[in-house]
Amino acid sequence: KNQVEQSPQSLIILEGKNCTLQCNYTVSPFSNLRWYKQDTGRGPVSLTIMTFSENTKSNGRYTATLDADTKQSSLHITASQLSDSASYICVVIPYNTDKLIFGTGTRLQVFP
Amino acid sequence: DSGVTQTPKHLITATGQRVTLRCSPRSGDLSVYWYQQSLDQGLQFLIQYYNGEERAKGNILERFSAQQFPDLHSELNLSSLELGDSALYFCASSPSRTGFQYEQYFGPGTRLTVT
Repeated sequence: KNQVEQSPQSLIILEGKNCTLQCNYTVSPFSNLRWYKQDTGRGPVSLTIMTFSENTKSNGRYTATLDADTKQSSLHITASQLSDSASYICVVIPYNTDKLIFGTGTRLQVFP
Repeated sequence: DSGVTQTPKHLITATGQRVTLRCSPRSGDLSVYWYQQSLDQGLQFLIQYYNGEERAKGNILERFSAQQFPDLHSELNLSSLELGDSALYFCASSPSRTGFQYEQYFGPGTRLTVT
């Protein structure tokens, strides 16, 4: 079983709509949790980084939340744009290590 | 543009062969990380170098090896290639020895196809 599970696997929405992506993890304790955006065939780009003590972090239209009690994080995208079409990857870094543990990602497609 | 460069962009080779992937980190970054991304799997951490020394190891096969040179560029060597080694290989860099404190900046990747 993966230590970082994401849902849904894929999502299709219309331009201008909001959406929320989920991440459930079992890694504990952890240093921080990150969300990355990866365009097809490109390297991941960081969206948000949250330490274990933070509940929310925003980056423009992207807002990540973290519930350490339930070991869940979500990424909310507001007013989606065509350029938001990408894979979104949740990453957890276990405490006192440098190793990133990646989820398998959610593939988001935004249609006009 | 992250500032991390990787060459080549694409590589096609046959089973049993050996290839070398190259990565130049962002200016000033001392840590280099290598990751593998297969079609059916997410990103997998392979290995980290910090200022020329191996710092951490992940799921790296014995057929794979890496090194970081005095000018801080890094090479990932893949030998006795198998079909299952076909994947995207990413390099990332960060300024610190401990990656969890700092952002990791990913390069554009090298797509390896083994036929």
